[in-house]
Amino acid sequence: EAGVVQSPRYKIIEKKQPVAFWCNPISGHNTLYWYLQNLGQGPELLIRYENEEAVDDSQLPKDRFSAERLKGVDSTLKIQPAELGDSAVYLCASSLVNTGELFFGEGSRLTVL
Amino acid sequence: KQEVTQIPAALSVPEGENLVLNCSFTDSAIYNLQWFRQDPGKGLTSLLLIQSSQREQTSGRLNASLDKSSGRSTLYIAASQPGDSATYLCAVLSRGENTGKLIFGQGTTLQVKP
Repeated sequence: EAGVVQSPRYKIIEKKQPVAFWCNPISGHNTLYWYLQNLGQGPELLIRYENEEAVDDSQLPKDRFSAERLKGVDSTLKIQPAELGDSAVYLCASSLVNTGELFFGEGSRLTVL
Repeated sequence: KQEVTQIPAALSVPEGENLVLNCSFTDSAIYNLQWFRQDPGKGLTSLLLIQSSQREQTSGRLNASLDKSSGRSTLYIAASQPGDSATYLCAVLSRGENTGKLIFGQGTTLQVKP
């Protein structure tokens, strides 16, 4: 069974440029999460979807970050415009139900110059 | 507000030692607690999941315990190997106002020396 797939694995952009990350969760998992992880820190939740509905986006900086999960499967996280402080690893995870075991992708490492 | 703390932040042991990693959380209203492993530059790999009604889970050389009333969990690694070197993260899935939110500790970075 395929795990959570994320792309790109690495992205280097200049500040003020836009960037997008894509996530394909494990088949059948209705709950999808985007986390941000800074170096030496634990991941922090950005947004959680149950099917196509964003049920917790309280930590998402909505002035520059947006996310969507069309058809309740794949998801895209966008940053526009990117700032230097956005340099981090963006992790996607999925679970069968919102109280279940989470499975993470390899992450997308963003460097903003 | 749920807070998760892991101590120590880093640990170095010789190969073959048994070791314990600690995780504490402030709010006992949880669905479950999950231990993850993270290798440098990689995503998180789930090691063990303990439901709130359980006291422990075992997988191979790993044993995780949960004491919900005291807000503590431990990850016991038996007969450590150099391949166990990684960062270990615990995460708590909260109930109540934090329902559905998985909150992580900052991790313990383990080095097992040959």
